[in-house]
Amino acid sequence: DIVMTQSPDSLAVSLGERATINCKSSQSVLYSSNNKNYLSWYQQKPGQPPKLLIYWASTRESGVPDRFSGSGSGTDFTLSISSLQAEDVAVYYCQQYYGTPSPMYIFGQGTKLEIK
Amino acid sequence: QVQLVQSGAEVKKPGASVKVSCKASGYTFTHYYIHWMRQAPGQGLEWMGWINPSNGDTNHAQEFQGRVTMTRDTPISATYMELSRLRSDDTAVYYCARGPDFGGFDIWGQGTMVTVSS
Repeated sequence: DIVMTQSPDSLAVSLGERATINCKSSQSVLYSSNNKNYLSWYQQKPGQPPKLLIYWASTRESGVPDRFSGSGSGTDFTLSISSLQAEDVAVYYCQQYYGTPSPMYIFGQGTKLEIK
Repeated sequence: QVQLVQSGAEVKKPGASVKVSCKASGYTFTHYYIHWMRQAPGQGLEWMGWINPSNGDTNHAQEFQGRVTMTRDTPISATYMELSRLRSDDTAVYYCARGPDFGGFDIWGQGTMVTVSS
């Protein structure tokens, strides 16, 4: 089975400081046909649906503040928040798409981000 | 604006079925797959499957095979997810979401709470 593992499970960062969340897949999500990593990041606040932040590992969704950035390729990925704001308190999920032998969409277990 | 609006909360007994609707607006309904996910209380997200609104093709995660049915009503831009033989561990918030070609989900419904309890 394909597994997505996020680290850490929870994180406390001071306002204005950098937050970094890692995501590791048990299989590569890089597709050689188009050189794209099928890895997305979401932010979920209590009582709300998830919100797309990043897709193709590093492409910021329209309207997402530029303090959010994604990096990585293959099996190892990182979501960074350059200067933490109070409204960034949330649970963050990575998610991969795997196309063969049958389509699968797998989420990491989530990382809870709080203010220190 | 682009949005997905889901039906309201449901309470069901074990063994029953539930059908959740998801109505799209603000974009061409047949141009994007609709996916269904669920989230048990205090837990993470689980992908259930997708439907292609253009032709009705579906695909489900293995663990839901035989229990989940996804359908669409193209004239009203709606998709439906029916889960049968409900168990207590099916208690969750169920989400529909739009799936563009990057392998993720860009627009989400507000969620539908399904409670399974005797």
